Amino acid sequence: DAGVIQSPRHEVTEMGQEVTLRCKPISGHDYLFWYRQTMMRGLELLIYFNNNVPIDDSGMPEDRFSAKMPNASFSTLKIQPSEPRDSAVYFCASSLHGVNSPLHFGNGTRLTVT
Amino acid sequence: DQQVKQNSPSLSVQEGRISILNCDYTNSMFDYFLWYKKYPAEGPTFLISISSIKDKNEDGRFTVFLNKSAKHLSLHIVPSQPGDSAVYFCAATSKLTFGTGTRLQVTL
Repeated sequence: DAGVIQSPRHEVTEMGQEVTLRCKPISGHDYLFWYRQTMMRGLELLIYFNNNVPIDDSGMPEDRFSAKMPNASFSTLKIQPSEPRDSAVYFCASSLHGVNSPLHFGNGTRLTVT
Repeated sequence: DQQVKQNSPSLSVQEGRISILNCDYTNSMFDYFLWYKKYPAEGPTFLISISSIKDKNEDGRFTVFLNKSAKHLSLHIVPSQPGDSAVYFCAATSKLTFGTGTRLQVTL
């Protein structure tokens, strides 16, 4: 299995631009998670899906952030408009049994907003 | 408000010795705890977990201890190896809240 695949690995954009991060979970995993890692706050859960349905989006920082999962093999995290404080590493993860089971993480997307 | 705290940002241990990484939590409703290891430019990988009905779980060189009354868990690595050098995160349910990580360096 190829594991969780995220693209792009690096994204550099200017403030105000739209950014779209992509994720392909492990086949057969019903849960998908988006995390953000910063030095100050560590790994923060932004949102997670079960069977393509958003279950908890309380971690999404504000309306500029949105996430979708149109099918079992693809999810996007969009930031519009982007701001410098959004600069972070964004991880996608998937799991078989939700929060009470180990997550399999992708290698992350490093976002820099200038 | 950090519900899961790793108060030591870094730890240096000699090869062959024991590494002890600590984690404190505030939410008594957490019932499942995990440790992840992270190398640079990679995502975290699962290491070991423990349910709140246990106080110890072992997997090879890795042992996790849980003290529910103190709301504290620790990860012991014995013996430590240079390949163990990484950032270690503890995490707790119900929303898989992560700590900020401890960078372990195992020296020769």
